[in-house]
Amino acid sequence: GNSVTQMEGPVTLSEEAFLTINCTYTATGYPSLFWYVQYPGEGLQLLLKATKADDKGSNKGFEATYRKETTSFHLEKGSVQVSDSAVYFCALSEGRDDKIIFGKGTRLHILP
Amino acid sequence: DAGVIQSPRHEVTEMGQEVTLRCKPISGHNSLFWYRQTMMRGLELLIYFNNNVPIDDSGMPEDRFSAKMPNASFSTLKIQPSEPRDSAVYFCASSLSGVLNNQPQHFGDGTRLSIL
Repeated sequence: GNSVTQMEGPVTLSEEAFLTINCTYTATGYPSLFWYVQYPGEGLQLLLKATKADDKGSNKGFEATYRKETTSFHLEKGSVQVSDSAVYFCALSEGRDDKIIFGKGTRLHILP
Repeated sequence: DAGVIQSPRHEVTEMGQEVTLRCKPISGHNSLFWYRQTMMRGLELLIYFNNNVPIDDSGMPEDRFSAKMPNASFSTLKIQPSEPRDSAVYFCASSLSGVLNNQPQHFGDGTRLSIL
């Protein structure tokens, strides 16, 4: 079945460091891929998405490229801020139904 | 625009009591999802509706849990009787399906449920 695997956290970085959170997926078709972010006490928010191979999603300085050959969708940011501290979820949707498959989430701590 | 609205934000009750969680999806969205989030099990899909009809309830943990969607703008998740292991954050999410595939889901801020 479809699944998403992302790196376990927590990930702790200093402010202005480079961030990578790895995500790989298994899908039988051609899924759309998402990154969601969850700030403390809030629900998940869509951060970015990509709908086909080689698409790059970007938002708020974050980027992720849909790599079909490696079945990956790694999240990157060149210079993180304390305000980026949150839990990040990689997810996929195949579109055959309305469900989105979420990874387990990666907690990110940014130190000032 | 108003997002997904959940109530209450926090609920504390004693075991054995009935708990009702409420959700108002984004206007115009036709799919609605109920999730449960715990530290141990992460984010779990409990049930989802499309056009007010339950499509997949395979994630509902047991018969104590039930969900309804009487109209396009309201859904409830009920636990009766509640148990301490039901303590979690419950999220409602909605999306627009059928127009374009693979639409993202929009989440409410959740209900933090504590069963004593």
